[in-house]
Amino acid sequence: DTEVTQTPKHLVMGMTNKKSLKCEQHMGHRAMYWYKQKAKKPPELMFVYSYEKLSINESVPSRFSPECPNSSLLNLHLHALQPEDSALYLCASSPSDFVRAKNIQYFGAGTRLSVL
Amino acid sequence: ELKVEQNPLFLSMQEGKNYTIYCNYSTTSDRLYWYRQDPGKSLESLFVLLSNGAVKQEGRLMASLDTKARLSTLHITAAVHDLSATYFCAVDRGTSGSRLTFGEGTQLTVNP
Repeated sequence: DTEVTQTPKHLVMGMTNKKSLKCEQHMGHRAMYWYKQKAKKPPELMFVYSYEKLSINESVPSRFSPECPNSSLLNLHLHALQPEDSALYLCASSPSDFVRAKNIQYFGAGTRLSVL
Repeated sequence: ELKVEQNPLFLSMQEGKNYTIYCNYSTTSDRLYWYRQDPGKSLESLFVLLSNGAVKQEGRLMASLDTKARLSTLHITAAVHDLSATYFCAVDRGTSGSRLTFGEGTQLTVNP
């Protein structure tokens, strides 16, 4: 089973709302990732969690707040977003964050976010 | 800063034809991945290339890596409609962890 589950699939929020995206995997992977993908563009890395600790923050604005409550679960808390934050948010997981062979990242289906 | 360039960005081809997608990257790496994305869907891992000269094949797709030239290719043989999708190469730029930088993607359309 190589499934990464993301909820919700679609989300519409106003600029003053607070919402959360959820990502879950049960493959025993110890690294989890958040990406942002705008239409017709490649995914861009936002955050990396390794062994439940934040290891990489790609200079993401503080209105995005990641959380890793346990090794299977990754959240992305959203607050005071801007319309330009509308995008597909993808979660991924891999066996490890460390440099090693075949550290394939498996992606979820994504949450399509619209900020009004 | 690592740059990953794919070409072509758009490819329209007929069924049964062959073609190659190119992925150039700007700094040393020996870990390169190819992913496929269908419209509105997630990314599916196709190939992992981990060393110079690596070649992987799956069905009508074959990927190769030349780390000295910083070039990977994805060759399509006898294309079929089901191969229509966007293909991304991604280079792992991590030194202490996995950090993928994706190319712009090649949108492939295979026409009957």
